[in-house]
Amino acid sequence: DAGVTQSPTHLIKTRGQQVTLRCSPKSGHDTVSWYQQALGQGPQFIFQYYEEEERQRGNFPDRFSGHQFPNYSSELNVNALLLGDSALYLCASSRGGGRGYTFGSGTRLTVV
Amino acid sequence: GENVEQHPSTLSVQEGDSAVIKCTYSDSASNYFPWYKQELGKGPQLIIDIRSNVGEKKDQRIAVTLNKTAKHFSLHITETQPEDSAVYFCAASPQIGGYALNFGKGTSLLVTP
Repeated sequence: DAGVTQSPTHLIKTRGQQVTLRCSPKSGHDTVSWYQQALGQGPQFIFQYYEEEERQRGNFPDRFSGHQFPNYSSELNVNALLLGDSALYLCASSRGGGRGYTFGSGTRLTVV
Repeated sequence: GENVEQHPSTLSVQEGDSAVIKCTYSDSASNYFPWYKQELGKGPQLIIDIRSNVGEKKDQRIAVTLNKTAKHFSLHITETQPEDSAVYFCAASPQIGGYALNFGKGTSLLVTP
């Protein structure tokens, strides 16, 4: 049973560029949340998607946007990258909007 | 918004000893308190969770206690093993409109043989 799958695993981008990260939720899960984890810190909530709509958003600027597809997979887009966007981006899925989240291994984004 | 504080930031114990990690939260509306274990290069893994209508929950060597009046909850690991070494995060989530997990800053646990 595949867990949460994220791609790519690592990514290097230049300041000002745009990036798209992808997530496939665990089988049977329909809710996807995105978190940003800076080095040595706990994950910070970016937003959650349920039924293809953004259901809740954390304290992140509009440069961060997302999408959920009919197959429940999701994308996180970040525009106008800043050096401070360098972090591990985690995707977490759950079923029926519940809070028993399963996390993926993340995408390590480095902005240079 | 919710603020979760976690202590200690690092913890070193000998194999077989117990380890305790404590968290406090600020939002009295929080009612779901999970604990995650994160190993190097991996995402957080849920190890145990507790809801506000329960004061204690156990799963083999792991237990969590919750004091809603004092707004704090703790993770207890007994008979620690080297494979318990990892970073542990507590989190809290409110009930109404609350789907986000608010995480503490983590505790790096080292279990030495």
